[in-house]
Amino acid sequence: KAGVTQTPRYLIKTRGQQVTLSCSPISGHRSVSWYQQTPGQGLQFLFEYFSETQRNKGNFPGRFSGRQFSNSRSEMNVSTLELGDSALYLCASRDSGTSEETQYFGPGTRLLVL
Amino acid sequence: GDSVTQMEGPVTLSEEAFLTINCTYTATGYPSLFWYVQYPGEGLQLLLKATKADDKGSNKGFEATYRKETTSFHLEKGSVQVSDSAVYFCALIQGAQKLVFGQGTRLTINP
Repeated sequence: KAGVTQTPRYLIKTRGQQVTLSCSPISGHRSVSWYQQTPGQGLQFLFEYFSETQRNKGNFPGRFSGRQFSNSRSEMNVSTLELGDSALYLCASRDSGTSEETQYFGPGTRLLVL
Repeated sequence: GDSVTQMEGPVTLSEEAFLTINCTYTATGYPSLFWYVQYPGEGLQLLLKATKADDKGSNKGFEATYRKETTSFHLEKGSVQVSDSAVYFCALIQGAQKLVFGQGTRLTINP
């Protein structure tokens, strides 16, 4: 099976702009989670989607949002970008049809905000 | 809330040395425990996991045992290679299905 894919791999934006990142999970996986990785804060959970519904949310401001489509692909959006949003954004998928808890990660999207 | 603490890095070893990266956790229930590895410029790869007390996860020569009595999940490898150079993350998951990560340990292996 193909792994988790994320597009784009790299992005450069300026403060105040908005950005949309995309994630395609492993075929058959219906749960998609998003994480932010920064040198200062490490890896932090953003949100999880399952069957097009947000099931869990981390402690991030409302500028961070997401959605999931019927084919399980997910997008996350960050509005009114700030310098501190520069990070590696990682998407992970899970086979939620079983008791399996393992999450499989994509290569990430590296966002630089200038 | 749940938390994971890893030994401070960076860790530098010579090839064929023995590796231990300490990991301890705090959780109210019985989490599943994971080690992920991140190579430069890449995402996280699952290295190994354990889902209950006394389980031993192993992969590519790495091992970790779920110790409930000491709330630990230390990563070990008997003989490291240059290709093992990466950042290693200990993590737990339970209930809410979100991974909680340690701060990561950067490992460098010199030939």
